[in-house]
Amino acid sequence: AQSVTQLDSQVPVFEEAPVELRCNYSSSVSVYLFWYVQYPNQGLQLLLKYLSGSTLVKGINGFEAEFNKSQTSFHLRKPSVHISDTAEYFCAVSADSGGYQKVTFGTGTKLQVIP
Amino acid sequence: DAGITQSPRHKVTETGTPVTLRCHQTENHRYMYWYRQDPGHGLRLIHYSYGVKDTDKGEVSDGYSVSRSKTEDFLLTLESATSSQTSVYFCAISESKDQPQHFGDGTRLSIL
Repeated sequence: AQSVTQLDSQVPVFEEAPVELRCNYSSSVSVYLFWYVQYPNQGLQLLLKYLSGSTLVKGINGFEAEFNKSQTSFHLRKPSVHISDTAEYFCAVSADSGGYQKVTFGTGTKLQVIP
Repeated sequence: DAGITQSPRHKVTETGTPVTLRCHQTENHRYMYWYRQDPGHGLRLIHYSYGVKDTDKGEVSDGYSVSRSKTEDFLLTLESATSSQTSVYFCAISESKDQPQHFGDGTRLSIL
């Protein structure tokens, strides 16, 4: 079984300040990790992915995340946020489940950028 | 953006009626998925498909059926809609099972 925990349901941050959105996971097998962003009335858009290799992953819109296997974490960071980053962010873990890759999503973190 | 179209985008219907949602892709991807999104639950997998006529259940499949007669189309049917199925439904596709999934814009379904 696998699970994802996003500890913060809402994160307010001032424009141009740095932000970190936290994600912890548990799994008994090797996993792939993803962050998605969802804007109102839209689907989820892939921000970045960790499949293998370097533990520091860079994504779109200036976001990056670091895979920490010992702490089973995959926190998302951005050094300076913009108003346009206001959205909901979902962490997801994917593991082989026989016929398909089972993806488990966290419950989301709403990032509110304050002008 | 991945070529995924969901229809309809919004639907209101009554309890007990059948409802079919359509997902159409232009990417020729093998894998297709249906999720529902509810506050506090994130996204939960309803059914998935790993090829034409090949489908299987996800974690919340009760009350739902699917069909895939062509690579590009994946249909989700609520046989007899209930108020608990009011939700936002998302279709996703992936090229292979270890590649990221890409999502459509969703269907907002209200069952009165």
